[in-house]
Amino acid sequence: EPEVTQTPSHQVTQMGQEVILRCVPISNHLYFYWYRQILGQKVEFLVSFYNNEISEKSEIFDDQFSVERPDGSNFTLKIRSTKLEDSAMYFCASSGDRGPAFFGQGTRLTVV
Amino acid sequence: EDKVVQSPLSLVVHEGDTVTLNCSYEVTNFRSLLWYKQEKKAPTFLFMLTSSGIEKKSGRLSSILDKKELFSILNITATQTGDSAIYLCAVEGEGAQKLVFGQGTRLTINP
Repeated sequence: EPEVTQTPSHQVTQMGQEVILRCVPISNHLYFYWYRQILGQKVEFLVSFYNNEISEKSEIFDDQFSVERPDGSNFTLKIRSTKLEDSAMYFCASSGDRGPAFFGQGTRLTVV
Repeated sequence: EDKVVQSPLSLVVHEGDTVTLNCSYEVTNFRSLLWYKQEKKAPTFLFMLTSSGIEKKSGRLSSILDKKELFSILNITATQTGDSAIYLCAVEGEGAQKLVFGQGTRLTINP
C-alpha cells in the first residue's frame, strides 16, 4: 500500500542551526502539506503546496520556514535558524484531488 | 476562525464495550470532516465525511455527520485493546488547503 515516508525519524539540533526535514509523498498525489504537533498539543497546520507553489500557510510558517520540491519525488521543510520552541513532531502529508490527506510517520525534532 | 472541539478528552472502557466519540465544529464553507487514529506517531486515516446522514462503516468502526447541527460521531463496537489510541477529528473548508484538528480523544481499552 502506498505511503508517505519521512526522514529522519528523529533529529536533534542546536539552537540557531538549520534543519531540513524530508518527505516522499504518495506518488500520484498532487497536494503536499506539513503539520506539526508539539508534545501534548493539537496537530497544527503549517503549509500546503500545490503545482510547485505554496497554496496556503499558517501564521506559524514565518520567514524561518521554507518548503521545496527539489525533484519529482521529494518534498522538504527547511527551518533556517531553529529555536527551542520549534521542538515538535513534524508530519508530512499528501492527498489526491479532493481526497483525504495521508500522513507520514513524522520526524521528531528536538532543539537543544 | 475554524474550530473543532472533541469530547470526551479521555475515555477508559473495558474490552467489548461500545464507545461513542464526539466532534463538533465551526468552519467557513464546510467541505469535509475526517477522522484519524493516532497510535504512536502518524495519524492514520479512518473516514472522510462530506454529506449529512450517510453512515460510513469499516468493520467495527462507523461514523456519521450532521451538517445542520455541526457535529459528527465515531462509534466503535466490541472494542479491543488494539483500539486504544488518540482519535482525531479534523475539518476542511471549501477552497482551503488545510485541515483544522481537534484536541483528540484518548481512548484506553482495558482487557
